[in-house]
Amino acid sequence: AQSVTQLGSHVSVSEGALVLLRCNYSSSVPPYLFWYVQYPNQGLQLLLKYTSAATLVKGINGFEAEFKKSETSFHLTKPSAHMSDAAEYFCAVDSSSNTGKLIFGQGTTLQVKP
Amino acid sequence: NAGVTQTPKFQVLKTGQSMTLQCAQDMNHEYMSWYRQDPGMGLRLIHYSVGAGITDQGEVPNGYNVSRSTTEDFPLRLLSAAPSQTSVYFCASRTYSGVKNIQYFGAGTRLSVL
Repeated sequence: AQSVTQLGSHVSVSEGALVLLRCNYSSSVPPYLFWYVQYPNQGLQLLLKYTSAATLVKGINGFEAEFKKSETSFHLTKPSAHMSDAAEYFCAVDSSSNTGKLIFGQGTTLQVKP
Repeated sequence: NAGVTQTPKFQVLKTGQSMTLQCAQDMNHEYMSWYRQDPGMGLRLIHYSVGAGITDQGEVPNGYNVSRSTTEDFPLRLLSAAPSQTSVYFCASRTYSGVKNIQYFGAGTRLSVL
């Protein structure tokens, strides 16, 4: 069965610092992996997705993630944090590319300090 | 283009009451699903549908019913609300056409059961 683990429920960085949000997955088949962002009192917005093409995936708002099969990881990074990046971030795996049943991690709240 | 629309945005129920959370999408997506979001647990799949007339259970289906009579609508019914159903509920949809494999989320319904 697929599962997703996000390491660290809260991450705090200073504005301009590197953002690193960790995600490890478990899957018996090649996974489809996603990062979503949720701003306060809003729905989820797709940041980026991995679908077995390039292992380095670029998303919106300067975020990118690298798929590492040997480490079963899909960590999210951004070189320089902005105040507007403060939100909750979810990593998710698609349990089947046909049905689209997403399995989510627990979420990581990113705080950006001025 | 409205995308995925959920109503109501907020609801307070008493234990034992019933209600229906509405979800509609205008993108002609085949797949629709309901998730609940609880602190520290990410999003968990309640029910999903791969097309009109077809529904199936997700990870946490107990206490919820769904039906899919049209492509556009996928209501979620709480037959007898319990305090454990206090949560934020999200509806999502996606298409199977092409290789987009992206789910679009509504803004959510915040439900409190007293």
